[in-house]
Amino acid sequence: DGGITQSPKYLFRKEGQNVTLSCEQNLNHDAMYWYRQDPGQGLRLIYYSQIVNDFQKGDIAEGYSVSREKKESFPLTVTSAQKNPTAFYLCASSISEKLFFGSGTQLSVL
Amino acid sequence: KQEVTQIPAALSVPEGENLVLNCSFTDSAIYNLQWFRQDPGKGLTSLLLIQSSQREQTSGRLNASLDKSSGRSTLYIAASQPGDSATYLCAVMRPNSGYALNFGKGTSLLVTP
Repeated sequence: DGGITQSPKYLFRKEGQNVTLSCEQNLNHDAMYWYRQDPGQGLRLIYYSQIVNDFQKGDIAEGYSVSREKKESFPLTVTSAQKNPTAFYLCASSISEKLFFGSGTQLSVL
Repeated sequence: KQEVTQIPAALSVPEGENLVLNCSFTDSAIYNLQWFRQDPGKGLTSLLLIQSSQREQTSGRLNASLDKSSGRSTLYIAASQPGDSATYLCAVMRPNSGYALNFGKGTSLLVTP
């Protein structure tokens, strides 16, 4: 069953803690993306990667980090420098202009 | 900087009505415009993609138009059904960003039986 898998579905972060959100795809797509969605807001781009071992900052990259060591995987780390991390995080992939999205991870702060 | 605006923010209609959702964008230099559907707490599902050289796209009861010169797009939903209830997001693909999208805030649609 092809698609994009995000895990976990819900995640809680303590003060000063780094947390990592997982995104895996078996669609053989070259490009992957991380978006953040706040209630009543559109999606905002955090990071994107067009090929393995390469990634670029999006509009709101501060307080986040990523890696792209494998084509299938694009994990997002929310660092302690991100002071307002509570949001819904969506991962996507594309091989051309059409994007496919995962089901999202809801991150909350304890 | 590209700004994408969607009007209205929320809409409630009785089942069977035809409806129009509006999207506007500030920079006409786009590769394409896409409409997505999002159910509560879920990811996005692509509905329609209009290339910058096209004027409209149709899929079943959905029709999307694009007027690049005026920076506008509309999503027309015919004969609405309760199952159409969701948030509809408009997004434009910007140049030189690896197919990254600029999104509007969405229109929350409720279709009542």
